[in-house]
Amino acid sequence: DAKTTQPNSMESNEEEPVHLPCNHSTISGTDYIHWYRQLPSQGPEYVIHGLTSNVNNRMASLAIAEDRKSSTLILHRATLRDAAVYYCILRSHFNDMRFGAGTRLTVKP
Amino acid sequence: DAGVIQSPRHEVTEMGQEVTLRCKPISGHDYLFWYRQTMMRGLELLIYFNNNVPIDDSGMPEDRFSAKMPNASFSTLKIQPSEPRDSAVYFCASSWGALEAFFGQGTRLTVV
Repeated sequence: DAKTTQPNSMESNEEEPVHLPCNHSTISGTDYIHWYRQLPSQGPEYVIHGLTSNVNNRMASLAIAEDRKSSTLILHRATLRDAAVYYCILRSHFNDMRFGAGTRLTVKP
Repeated sequence: DAGVIQSPRHEVTEMGQEVTLRCKPISGHDYLFWYRQTMMRGLELLIYFNNNVPIDDSGMPEDRFSAKMPNASFSTLKIQPSEPRDSAVYFCASSWGALEAFFGQGTRLTVV
């Protein structure tokens, strides 16, 4: 199975940008890179996904390396409400969706 | 659409009893996933369906667990008999293809 590697935890200051890294060296050509986050006492929530090109949406930006072996989720201005566990996963059609331990983001006021 | 709907939100049951968790996916979605989350083991994939057909149930912990998807709008996860170690939050999620998945609010199961 394709797997991802993320730091266990990261800290950020409120109102500053946050770059959450993810390594996926065994990614295949059909794998999408997905990011989800889980706020305390809630279910996982979709953040963003991409295949090859960088992606932007209202929540975040996703920067994908040219060789696709790594990606970075960018929160442009972290708020206290962004404190959560962030998961990077690979997913392709007809395949499952498995979560690792993710990165626990702490946002300091 | 109201999103993925799970019921009940909370369930407390005695050891040995049968427990049935329910999930209504988003209309039109062709994938449905069941997960279990605990502090020790994180978010574990139990089973997933594609077009109502179980594709991979290798995450189901043992024969006490079973899941069905009789139609595109309903799935159940059953535990019989339940044990205290089954206590966890169970999530259901659905997606269309490999696009974004949407999760329900979860069912918090406590087996005493």
